[in-house]
Amino acid sequence: AQTVTQSQPEMSVQEAETVTLSCTYDTSESDYYLFWYKQPPSRQMILVIRQEAYKQQNATENRFSVNFQKAAKSFSLKISDSQLGDAAMYFCAYRSPYSGGGADGLTFGKGTHLIIQP
Amino acid sequence: GAVVSQHPSRVICKSGTSVKIECRSLDFQATTMFWYRQFPKQSLMLMATSNEGSKATYEQGVEKDKFLINHASLTLSTLTVTSAHPEDSSFYICSATVLGETQYFGPGTRLLVL
Repeated sequence: AQTVTQSQPEMSVQEAETVTLSCTYDTSESDYYLFWYKQPPSRQMILVIRQEAYKQQNATENRFSVNFQKAAKSFSLKISDSQLGDAAMYFCAYRSPYSGGGADGLTFGKGTHLIIQP
Repeated sequence: GAVVSQHPSRVICKSGTSVKIECRSLDFQATTMFWYRQFPKQSLMLMATSNEGSKATYEQGVEKDKFLINHASLTLSTLTVTSAHPEDSSFYICSATVLGETQYFGPGTRLLVL
């Protein structure tokens, strides 16, 4: 079974600064997908970024980028120019590849509560 | 695009009663829908995987007779919590996907069992 570990229960950053959220995972699969989801107080899960394990290039979405280290099984999220609206719980998630027999659910880490200081 | 709705958003029920939660993909046909549970200040835990027209697959430790899942069409899955008890109080979230690609989440349903 896969496991996802987020070792930072809470992080705080000044507005406009950069912050990095850590995530490590354990798997015996060679192909898989990794995600970062944001859950604001409304509790709606919002996809921030995704990474396919077979791609060496790190995914980027505007101010959000990842540092994917496959050998180290590490998948950190960097948020640049932090904004007040970035305040939320951030969950790292793992998913096995689609096998044709059906899609797999996501395995989530415990989350990191990101606080943005004005 | 890729909007998933849930109904109701919040429900309060008496212990021993059953509650049905609906999950709909509004603008796409979902080959698979998932049900997650989230306790306060905790992460999401996968409860079951639901493919249209077939029986749901439950995660270890999830009672299939208590959490009945029906996936009658490519746009609708329902979760029924039978004989609900206070310990079933939680936040239930569904997600939907097409052929295993990105999962799109519903807004969640807060269940409180008195």
